Amino acid sequence: AQSVAQPEDQVNVAEGNPLTVKCTYSVSGNPYLFWYVQYPNRGLQFLLKYITGDNLVKGSYGFEAEFNKSQTSFHLKKPSALVSDSALYFCAVRDDTGRRALTFGSGTRLQVQP
Amino acid sequence: KAGVTQTPRYLIKTRGQQVTLSCSPISGHRSVSWYQQTPGQGLQFLFEYFSETQRNKGNFPGRFSGRQFSNSRSEMNVSTLELGDSALYLCASSTGGGFETDTQYFGPGTRLTVL
Repeated sequence: AQSVAQPEDQVNVAEGNPLTVKCTYSVSGNPYLFWYVQYPNRGLQFLLKYITGDNLVKGSYGFEAEFNKSQTSFHLKKPSALVSDSALYFCAVRDDTGRRALTFGSGTRLQVQP
Repeated sequence: KAGVTQTPRYLIKTRGQQVTLSCSPISGHRSVSWYQQTPGQGLQFLFEYFSETQRNKGNFPGRFSGRQFSNSRSEMNVSTLELGDSALYLCASSTGGGFETDTQYFGPGTRLTVL
């Protein structure tokens, strides 16, 4: 069975500081990992994904994520946070055993203070 | 390219009624998936359609059904609505080539309120 854990309900960071949103996963096969962001009253917006290869994945709006197989983690990072980054962030996983549905974490609310 | 569109954006129904939600995928995308988002349960997978066939199904009761048309547009139906069906229903489309690496792109959702 697939599962995703986002251990922090909320992350607070000051504008201009680096941010990290944590995600750990559990799958049977090889993992394919995704990050999405949700703004109020909006759907999910794709940020980036890890399929294979380089463990550091770069995505939209200056976000990047680091895949760590030994720690089964896929943390989302950004070197310098913006107030406009304040939103709900979801990590999701799919493995290569044929089940195509994404399994999502519970979400982490990012609050960037000016 | 236009994104995924969902109609209507908001719906209010009463218990026992039925509802139909519509989703138009990104042009060229053949897979449509539906998810339910609630504060308590988070994001849960309902089903996926590809080439007018249900390819995957989540753990929801039979009151939840869907279909896909030849132009890849999809509808989701919920019969005999219950208060617990109040949620944001999200549709996502992908190319659907059968690869687990496919990215799903989400629509804005339909907010269903059951009174």
